[in-house]
Amino acid sequence: EVQLLASGGGMVQPGGSLRLSCAASGFNFSNYAMSWVRQAPGKGLDWVSAISGSGGSTYFADSVRGRFTISRDNSKDTVYLQMNSLRAEDTAVYYCAKGRYGSNYFYTMDVWGQGTTVTVSS
Amino acid sequence: DIQMTQSPSSVSASVGDRVTITCRASQGISIWLAWYQQKPGKAPKLLIYSASNLHSGVPSRFGGSGSGTDFTLTISSLQPEDFATYYCQQANSSPPTFGQGTKVEI
Repeated sequence: EVQLLASGGGMVQPGGSLRLSCAASGFNFSNYAMSWVRQAPGKGLDWVSAISGSGGSTYFADSVRGRFTISRDNSKDTVYLQMNSLRAEDTAVYYCAKGRYGSNYFYTMDVWGQGTTVTVSS
Repeated sequence: DIQMTQSPSSVSASVGDRVTITCRASQGISIWLAWYQQKPGKAPKLLIYSASNLHSGVPSRFGGSGSGTDFTLTISSLQPEDFATYYCQQANSSPPTFGQGTKVEI
C-alpha cells in the first residue's frame, strides 16, 4: 500500500524555524516528484513547494521562496521541508503529496499524507 | 499565476441527487485539470486527473469533463459518503493552483 507519513509540526514563534519530514512507503520513491501543500485554518489548499525525483530540481511558491527549502533523501524514502523565518501566515496543516506521473511531474498529486500542523504564534 | 474559480461555493443536495460543480481557469490549460475531494480533518483525495480520467478506486458516479478554460465535475447520484468539499486544480504550469472549493452539504 502506498503511504505517506508527515511529521515535525508544532508551535513556533514568529521568526523561528521548523523542519517537516514525510516518510514514504509502498512505491519506488526516487522515481517520483514530491510536493508540500498547506491549508490554513478554514481555508483552501495552497501549493508550497516541490522537488524532482532525483532532488536536482526544486520549485517554490512566491510566498515562501527564500525562506523555505525542500530536500529529499532517497536512501531513506523521505522528503523534508525546512521552514525558516516563519510568519503567522504560515500557520497551516502541511500535507506532503506524491506526483502522479514520474520524477519531474509534480502538478497532479495522487497520494497525500495525513498532514502535520504548524502554528506560528508568540 | 493561473487563477481557478469554482462555482458554486456551496451546494445543498440530497442523497440521490445529481450535483454539478464548475471550475474556470483564467487562461487555457488544455485538459490539465484535477479534482480532489476533502472531508473534514482529512487529507485531500484525488478523484479525477486530466479533466476526465477517473483515479483508481474512485466510484463511477463521479465524472469530469471540459477543456481549455471551463471544466465540470458531476456526481450522478449523490451518496452519503460524498458530502465533502471539492477542489479543482490546474496541472498545466507552475505554480499549481487550486480553486477555492465547493462544499457539498446535506
